[in-house]
Amino acid sequence: ETGVTQSPTHLIKTRGQQVTLRCSSQSGHNTVSWYQQALGQGPQFIFQYYREEENGRGNFPPRFSGLQFPNYSSELNVNALELDDSALYLCASSSSTSGGAKNIQYFGAGTRLSVL
Amino acid sequence: AQSVTQLGSHVSVSEGALVLLRCNYSSSVPPYLFWYVQYPNQGLQLLLKYTSAATLVKGINGFEAEFKKSETSFHLTKPSAHMSDAAEYFCAVSVGGNTPLVFGKGTRLSVIA
Repeated sequence: ETGVTQSPTHLIKTRGQQVTLRCSSQSGHNTVSWYQQALGQGPQFIFQYYREEENGRGNFPPRFSGLQFPNYSSELNVNALELDDSALYLCASSSSTSGGAKNIQYFGAGTRLSVL
Repeated sequence: AQSVTQLGSHVSVSEGALVLLRCNYSSSVPPYLFWYVQYPNQGLQLLLKYTSAATLVKGINGFEAEFKKSETSFHLTKPSAHMSDAAEYFCAVSVGGNTPLVFGKGTRLSVIA
């Protein structure tokens, strides 16, 4: 177990709706990265948050947005859901300061989103 | 830009046989390389990492990988497969620091009794 927790585990939405996914980072980690894993594919980087600021973004449209809170937990928000947004959403936390574990990303179990 | 190619979307081995999962990378700067394993309905678990120290890296569960710069490869091996090794394996590359991981498409490992 990595100590990274995500909620909810499963979610079903309809096209056009909005969704919020949550991630609690591992204790001591100040960075959260979000990835989208479509069925049969490897994870793709959405964006990263470091000390409450967006710190890099992948090739995802603006309707994918996020937040990081002072306790380093994070949210991923997706507006105007499309069928292709159906995927497993993974959160990874890491630390820029933790010795041997520095900059290693530890993943949560993910949230499986189905868009109908 | 970085990229990862995993040769073979599905590998099947007999229990007790050698496991070899192939990964080739492309990176314009010295890479950091990782292998993650994903069991059904679970997230990714780090198996091992290469971060510019020893080229032969030992990980958990008896897995190891060797960084070969001349071949731009980072293949994952295990001498003797166990039924519990059946899972999806992902190779990933980054340029170090807290930079994003770029993943391959994954290789599903099946272990036959």
